[in-house]
Amino acid sequence: KNEVEQSPQNLTAQEGEFITINCSYSVGISALHWLQQHPGGGIVSLFMLSSGKKKHGRLIATINIQEKHSSLHITASHPRDSAVYICAVPLYGGATNKLIFGTGTLLAVQP
Amino acid sequence: EAEVAQSPRYKITEKSQAVAFWCDPISGHATLYWYRQILGQGPELLVQFQDESVVDDSQLPKDRFSAERLKGVDSTLKIQPAELGDSAMYLCASSLATGANYGYTFGSGTRLTVV
Repeated sequence: KNEVEQSPQNLTAQEGEFITINCSYSVGISALHWLQQHPGGGIVSLFMLSSGKKKHGRLIATINIQEKHSSLHITASHPRDSAVYICAVPLYGGATNKLIFGTGTLLAVQP
Repeated sequence: EAEVAQSPRYKITEKSQAVAFWCDPISGHATLYWYRQILGQGPELLVQFQDESVVDDSQLPKDRFSAERLKGVDSTLKIQPAELGDSAMYLCASSLATGANYGYTFGSGTRLTVV
């Protein structure tokens, strides 16, 4: 079982739809990252959150530390939102701090 | 907005040749990471620097890979000799310090193809 699991793995939506991507993790953390990666491209950090909710434009991220669950929502989705969305949790051990990545959710928004 | 700079963006090299990638983190970021992402998989950490010191290189194939950050600023990742299985995206990231509550900034990556 992966330490960080995402669902769904693949998601197709029509332009304008409200989208939710879920992330559950088993490693103990104090923060979680949501990342975006376009096909063949680098990674863009969308959010880092340790509690509650954050909003940036049409993107909203929530986290429940007790339940070890986070969601990424996209309102009024647009074809340019098509990308892989990845959640990642830091595994902190002394001086080291590496991210454990989820399996990613491939989102395709159709016009 | 400050960025993590990586070069080159794309690199094609022949098997057994040497190849090097460069990363310049955000100014003031003490922690620098090199990740490798094989197509269809999530990134895996190759090496983490704190200033000029390596703090985690447990997943770095040291027989052929080397990484340095001599002055604690920019960093170079080298592969010699390159193998077909090294084809991947090499991502550099930096953060202000080491700790679970510090955000990461990723570079655009270097896509390596070994032929």
